Amino acid sequence: EVQLVESGGGLVQPGGSLRLSCAASGFTFSSNAMSWVRQAPGKGLEWVSAISDSGGSTYYADSVKGRFTMSRDNSKKTLYLQMNSLRAEDTALYYCATGGVIYATYWGQGTLVTVSS
Amino acid sequence: DIVMTQSPDSLAVSLGERATINCKSSQSVLYNSNDKNYLAWYQQKPGQPPKLLIYWASTRESGVPDRFSGSGSGTDFTLTISSLQAEDVAVYYCQQYYNTPPTFGQGTKLEIK
Repeated sequence: EVQLVESGGGLVQPGGSLRLSCAASGFTFSSNAMSWVRQAPGKGLEWVSAISDSGGSTYYADSVKGRFTMSRDNSKKTLYLQMNSLRAEDTALYYCATGGVIYATYWGQGTLVTVSS
Repeated sequence: DIVMTQSPDSLAVSLGERATINCKSSQSVLYNSNDKNYLAWYQQKPGQPPKLLIYWASTRESGVPDRFSGSGSGTDFTLTISSLQAEDVAVYYCQQYYNTPPTFGQGTKLEIK
């Protein structure tokens, strides 16, 4: 069974940093591109970033480019999202998902990030 | 970025009746070299992550009931639920993956009439 378990969310002040993690199991992690998708409270879905299976290529939405960094450790089957210079508009539930820049077949349950003073 | 626009924003349909949700892209998502439309549909129930229903505009994901179908090409697409069941109450999203960044429609909330 495919499982994606996000962690690392929480309350942070504007300008602060957080590092999200996503632990994967039940599939060949190292063969799959991955992505982060977020959903602000009561709002729709917004693709945030993606990474190739090897980690050699990364892609970002303009809204987070230069502030967020996506990475992966295939030996640990774990995905990361380093978020710096956080803003109120980054408040959302952050999902990790399989698929990279294409359709997302599997999704985690999400981790909530709240940016507020 | 490609803008995805869904209609209607909300929809109420009687149990057993057909539900139709439309999705329009600001540019074609049909890749001529492989004749594939880079369009997916998701279902999101309250408190749950999205679930992939359809990809390549009309290919049903494994395990998705056959009352769900996708159609369309180029810039205009439709998700049809042939006979609405109570468990289909959800928000439905279309997504293009023709260009990076992938972009989603604003969502259509489907309720029981």
